[in-house]
Amino acid sequence: GAVVSQHPSWVICKSGTSVKIECRSLDFQATTMFWYRQFPKQSLMLMATSNEGSKATYEQGVEKDKFLINHASLTLSTLTVTSAHPEDSSFYICSAPQGYEQYFGPGTRLTVT
Amino acid sequence: DQQVKQNSPSLSVQEGRISILNCDYTNSMFDYFLWYKKYPAEGPTFLISISSIKDKNEDGRFTVFLNKSAKHLSLHIVPSQPGDSAVYFCAADSGAGSYQLTFGKGTKLSVIP
Repeated sequence: GAVVSQHPSWVICKSGTSVKIECRSLDFQATTMFWYRQFPKQSLMLMATSNEGSKATYEQGVEKDKFLINHASLTLSTLTVTSAHPEDSSFYICSAPQGYEQYFGPGTRLTVT
Repeated sequence: DQQVKQNSPSLSVQEGRISILNCDYTNSMFDYFLWYKKYPAEGPTFLISISSIKDKNEDGRFTVFLNKSAKHLSLHIVPSQPGDSAVYFCAADSGAGSYQLTFGKGTKLSVIP
């Protein structure tokens, strides 16, 4: 099946700094990618839809200025957590659709100290 | 308001027996349903899906049943194997090819050897 990668797989950063997470579709092109967030023992929550060549669409309650999304090419979307705080610590997962299916990246564990 | 519900947070099954994971949804606009398997600190892996025009889809040991009138679907795994131990998420597509998935909270399956 299709492969989606994420980088880094885990990151620790200090409060107030920014962190960039990359999501790549390795063997297919994706005009749309999705960013999810998962808290411990909770479901995956859709944060935003990343659209190649246009602005991302954010879900209600997600701060656009805090979670910057850039879909620079047909195979790459980035999520930048700006001015990170401990409450931003979470597991971030991206996905990309191909055909009727969605393929998920392995996730990025962010810990803000 | 949770549109996709997995009411059993955990399930234990003996190896070789059948595992039945349940999922209920409230949004009648959902027209495509998916099951994902997830290990800790990894992204979800697609297992099986079903369109709302069908009531059953089978793939090897995995079968998904859909009861549209009851807004209920279930995933059957038979025979269950220890390697099946993971968290299983039910997800629903918002329809019209949006690819936006709404996830349940997951059910942790433990298959006991």
